[in-house]
Amino acid sequence: DAGITQSPRHKVTETGTPVTLRCHQTENHRYMYWYRQDPGHGLRLIHYSYGVKDTDKGEVSDGYSVSRSKTEDFLLTLESATSSQTSVYFCAISGTGPSGQMTARQEEQYFGPGTRLTVT
Amino acid sequence: AQSVTQPDIHITVSEGASLELRCNYSYGATPYLFWYVQSPGQGLQLLLKYFSGDTLVQGIKGFEAEFKRSQSSFNLRKPSVHWSDAAECFCAVGPSGGSYIPTFGRGTSLIVHP
Repeated sequence: DAGITQSPRHKVTETGTPVTLRCHQTENHRYMYWYRQDPGHGLRLIHYSYGVKDTDKGEVSDGYSVSRSKTEDFLLTLESATSSQTSVYFCAISGTGPSGQMTARQEEQYFGPGTRLTVT
Repeated sequence: AQSVTQPDIHITVSEGASLELRCNYSYGATPYLFWYVQSPGQGLQLLLKYFSGDTLVQGIKGFEAEFKRSQSSFNLRKPSVHWSDAAECFCAVGPSGGSYIPTFGRGTSLIVHP
């Protein structure tokens, strides 16, 4: 258990509304990621973070923004949700935290349980 | 750029039979390789990983994988499949250029018949 939680786990929202998904980790890992998973596309990286206030875009970042104001939380925001953003969203972490509880290369990722988002 | 190919979208096996899921990669140096499994409605769980050394790696749940440099492959195997092994399986390879972010294959759906 990598100590990763995501909230909410399920959400239904209307087109045009803002939505924020939260990823929370308890082991102070440096790197955090947001992916979306869609049939036929596998996992696609949206944004990632390599430290507090340090973020960068992934391959499908349009329409999404992120923030990381503290080590344990990584927020994904859909500024104005569209039906094409209906998906399952996964958060992941990697890297060794200061606690040393997980010694792993930074390429080795551990995933949260996911958030199923439906935009109507 | 590196890439990962999982040639089989679906694999169907009978319970108790052996299993092999294929993964091929394109990468210029020795890669780091991973297999993840995703049960329905769940997140991805790391099954096993290869960084260096022994090319046959053992993972959780009785799975193993073998790194074959000459074939650019990292196939996942299990000698006897259980019904609870039914899942989506993803192969991943890293790092990517100057980035530590792995590249994932599109997944293989493992179906187990009783």
